[in-house]
Amino acid sequence: GAVVSQHPSRVICKSGTSVKIECRSLDFQATTMFWYRQFPKQSLMLMATSNEGSKATYEQGVEKDKFLINHASLTLSTLTVTSAHPEDSSFYICSAQEPISREKLFFGSGTQLSVL
Amino acid sequence: AQTVTQSQPEMSVQEAETVTLSCTYDTSESDYYLFWYKQPPSRQMILVIRQEAYKQQNATENRFSVNFQKAAKSFSLKISDSQLGDAAMYFCAYRRINQAGTALIFGKGTTLSVSS
Repeated sequence: GAVVSQHPSRVICKSGTSVKIECRSLDFQATTMFWYRQFPKQSLMLMATSNEGSKATYEQGVEKDKFLINHASLTLSTLTVTSAHPEDSSFYICSAQEPISREKLFFGSGTQLSVL
Repeated sequence: AQTVTQSQPEMSVQEAETVTLSCTYDTSESDYYLFWYKQPPSRQMILVIRQEAYKQQNATENRFSVNFQKAAKSFSLKISDSQLGDAAMYFCAYRRINQAGTALIFGKGTTLSVSS
């Protein structure tokens, strides 16, 4: 089956620094990727929809200047948490849409971000 | 807007027994997809089962089956012959059909514990 690679799996950073998370579709071209955030024992909340070659669409309440999303190629989307603060600590998961049938979504393994 | 509701935060079952997880949803669409995802402690999202709303027949995948009641907007998951490896958080999810770039909408999840 299709594979989505997410890196890093875990990152610890100091408050005020920026962190980049990568999401790669390894064996298919993903025109659309989705970024979710998950707090412990809670649901996945959609942050933004990333379309290759265009600006991301952010969900209401998500700060686009804090969570920068770039989808510069058909196999790579990145999420940059800028000037991270402890409240940004969370589990971030990406999901990529299979382009032919469009109905299948594949998930990365997630990134646990801890901001000290 | 579409919503997904899982009213059981936690469920427990004994090994080899059967358990049913509930899910209701709200939508004005006539055609859509419904999913159950499993999230074990590794936090990798695993697709358990999928149902297309236009299909009346309930989906089945080995020990997992659904009871899809379209008029009632209900989509429950039945796990038969429960195994210790079934212990995880289970999410019910909805997705619009025939529209590119639409994300999954998740319920709040049900934590399933399995005892021997």
